[in-house]
Amino acid sequence: EAQVTQNPRYLITVTGKKLTVTCSQNMNHEYMSWYRQDPGLGLRQIYYSMNVEVTDKGDVPEGYKVSRKEKRNFPLILESPSPNQTSLYFCASSRYAGELFFGEGSRLTVL
Amino acid sequence: AQTVTQSQPEMSVQEAETVTLSCTYDTSESDYYLFWYKQPPSRQMILVIRQEAYKQQNATENRFSVNFQKAAKSFSLKISDSQLGDAAMYFCAYRRFQGAQKLVFGQGTRLTINP
Repeated sequence: EAQVTQNPRYLITVTGKKLTVTCSQNMNHEYMSWYRQDPGLGLRQIYYSMNVEVTDKGDVPEGYKVSRKEKRNFPLILESPSPNQTSLYFCASSRYAGELFFGEGSRLTVL
Repeated sequence: AQTVTQSQPEMSVQEAETVTLSCTYDTSESDYYLFWYKQPPSRQMILVIRQEAYKQQNATENRFSVNFQKAAKSFSLKISDSQLGDAAMYFCAYRRFQGAQKLVFGQGTRLTINP
């Protein structure tokens, strides 16, 4: 089954404790990206990757890091989480010019 | 930069009735894609319908159809014969025709279906 898998789905952490949200897709897609969803703001792109070792900032990259060492994986790293990073996070993938496939979302709370 | 605006934070409709969700966008490009996504309580993002800007014909998918007005930069979603399962948050989104695959989303409209 074609899918984008994110883990963890739910996480509560404390300010400053590094965390990683993993994302994996099994469709051999070149393009992967991360979004955050906040009430009243819709979804906003954090980072994206056009292919292995090629990443770039989206609209709200501050406080986040990403890497793309393998085509299927695109982890989102919060080196020192802060409460304003409490949000719902989505990973997405697609072929170039194709439909975006979304993961099921990861609800992150930073205390 | 492109922007997408959904001016209706909440809408409600009686079951079996028709409802229209509004979306406007701003872009200087002539070729692009527009989408409506549905997000039920499960939080999954589900593609409802897409429209290519170069196509004059409005897209339809079963009970879902759009009214695409390119000159007015308007892209509304009509849901006919509303069902309880249509209750969700609906997002309008824009994507450039070429280049990075970024979706620019509107703020969302929460749709409630009254039985």
